[in-house]
Amino acid sequence: GNSVTQMEGPVTLSEEAFLTINCTYTATGYPSLFWYVQYPGEGLQLLLKATKADDKGSNKGFEATYRKETTSFHLEKGSVQVSDSAVYFCALSKTSYDKVIFGPGTSLSVIP
Amino acid sequence: NAGVTQTPKFRVLKTGQSMTLLCAQDMNHEYMYWYRQDPGMGLRLIHYSVGEGTTAKGEVPDGYNVSRLKKQNFLLGLESAAPSQTSVYFCASRKRGQGATGELFFGEGSRLTVL
Repeated sequence: GNSVTQMEGPVTLSEEAFLTINCTYTATGYPSLFWYVQYPGEGLQLLLKATKADDKGSNKGFEATYRKETTSFHLEKGSVQVSDSAVYFCALSKTSYDKVIFGPGTSLSVIP
Repeated sequence: NAGVTQTPKFRVLKTGQSMTLLCAQDMNHEYMYWYRQDPGMGLRLIHYSVGEGTTAKGEVPDGYNVSRLKKQNFLLGLESAAPSQTSVYFCASRKRGQGATGELFFGEGSRLTVL
């Protein structure tokens, strides 16, 4: 079946450190891939997306590349800030799917 | 730019009481969803709807009912609240069809406490 696996954390980094959150997926065909972010006390919001293989999604200094050969969509940021402290969810969807499949979320804390 | 609006945002219930959470979206989206979020459990799908007048069960539907009488509204009901239903509830919607990417739009959440 369709599924998303991501490192569960919690992840604690110092400010300006490099961030990688791994995400791999299982799905038939070519799903769209997403990273959502949830800041404390808020709902989820889209961080970035990629809709086909080799696409790179980017936003707010975060990047992720759709790798069909490794079925991965790892989230990276070169220099994290305290304001990046949040929970990050990897997800996949296809227009033919009724549901969106989420990973379990990764909690990130960035300390000054 | 209202997007997805949930009401109420906070509610405290006693065990056995009933209540309804309302989700409204103004983006003309076909799909709507109710999730619950609990510490360490991620997001769990309760019920969803692929269009007006249709609903379907998700992963954790027991104890909840839903209705989608109008395309823009998706109601989540608790007929007899239990402490296990203490949670944060999120509504989401997305577009179907040509040009849709599967992106979900979320409401801000409704925090429910059942005593």
